Amino acid sequence: NAGVTQTPKFRILKIGQSMTLQCTQDMNHNYMYWYRQDPGMGLKLIYYSVGAGITDKGEVPNGYNVSRSTTEDFPLRLELAAPSQTSVYFCASSNNVDRVGGYTFGSGTRLTVV
Amino acid sequence: AQSVAQPEDQVNVAEGNPLTVKCTYSVSGNPYLFWYVQYPNRGLQFLLKYITGDNLVKGSYGFEAEFNKSQTSFHLKKPSALVSDSALYFCAVRDMANAGKSTFGDGTTLTVKP
Repeated sequence: NAGVTQTPKFRILKIGQSMTLQCTQDMNHNYMYWYRQDPGMGLKLIYYSVGAGITDKGEVPNGYNVSRSTTEDFPLRLELAAPSQTSVYFCASSNNVDRVGGYTFGSGTRLTVV
Repeated sequence: AQSVAQPEDQVNVAEGNPLTVKCTYSVSGNPYLFWYVQYPNRGLQFLLKYITGDNLVKGSYGFEAEFNKSQTSFHLKKPSALVSDSALYFCAVRDMANAGKSTFGDGTTLTVKP
């Protein structure tokens, strides 16, 4: 049981480049989330999804896009990378909100934009 | 809007001594509160949660947390600290009426010295 898997673990992008951060979970969780973690700033919600085909913006969505074509996968897309997007990105999932539990997090993607 | 505050950036304790990591919260309805731990270069791991019931909740690795409604606090505690408890700790509040989105505090670095 792998839980939440994120790839890649590390990436360096040049300004203006694009990339997709992959996230997949094998727990049949409906709810999935993307957070970014900046030093001393906690985690900020970028996008979230309550099920396949349904996504919505979080607190800091600008510069990002997501899709949710299957229950398992929730990729995060950066279209035009900017230095402000240098951060560590975490994907998380949870079961339905009527079963109140904690999140299961992936191990993160450390992104540097130069 | 919900919010979480962790008033201490850093907590230092000696091994074998009790530890407390503080958290206060603000929510409009019933609070759903969580503690997570993050080890270096890893994702966050769920420690414990308060949903309802007993104000003292027990979690993983010997940690417990005390919910205090009148003080809107949810402090993390452990009777006897271990060097291996050294990590970054996050308090979070979850909005179960809004897609289960979580708001995280900025984190507290716990250092346990031998």
